[in-house]
Amino acid sequence: AQTVTQSQPEMSVQEAETVTLSCTYDTSENNYYLFWYKQPPSRQMILVIRQEAYKQQNATENRFSVNFQKAAKSFSLKISDSQLGDTAMYFCAQKNTGNQFYFGTGTSLTVIP
Amino acid sequence: EPEVTQTPSHQVTQMGQEVILRCVPISNHLYFYWYRQILGQKVEFLVSFYNNEISEKSEIFDDQFSVERPDGSNFTLKIRSTKLEDSAMYFCASTGAYKDEQYFGPGTRLTVT
Repeated sequence: AQTVTQSQPEMSVQEAETVTLSCTYDTSENNYYLFWYKQPPSRQMILVIRQEAYKQQNATENRFSVNFQKAAKSFSLKISDSQLGDTAMYFCAQKNTGNQFYFGTGTSLTVIP
Repeated sequence: EPEVTQTPSHQVTQMGQEVILRCVPISNHLYFYWYRQILGQKVEFLVSFYNNEISEKSEIFDDQFSVERPDGSNFTLKIRSTKLEDSAMYFCASTGAYKDEQYFGPGTRLTVT
């Protein structure tokens, strides 16, 4: 069964500091995609960053970067220079070549001014 | 930028009643999804839809649920006889031909009393 595990239900970080959110997953597939979604208090989920499993290079989007460890099935999100607008729930998700996305339970991140 | 829209934003219904949740996916997308998120829990996959038929469904998606694309723009989720445990946020999502990124709507909060 596909599972995505986020072991940190809540985290906080000082504004301008760096924070890392953890995610592990389990799949028997070799080709798959990994995602981090942000869900602000307005509730609409938006894509933060994605990683194709066949790419060894870690994805980066401005202040957001990932540490993808394929052998360990780990996919952590690093947020640099944290801003107040980063306060949100963050969901890790994994998708095989089919249609279904598998989400973790989320990490609630609070950026403290 | 195109976005997925959902109506209503909040629906209150009595147990046993039928509800229809509506979604307008991004216009050139081909794959459509429904997810639900019970308060404080993870996002759970319900069903995916392609070419006017269900392509995958989870065990949550039992006979009480149905989906339909009645015209070229709307994608609906019907719950035939609502139960208290159906209270949740329901998210619609859509993807384009490559299926590797889902765009989520803002969600409909369903409250069953």
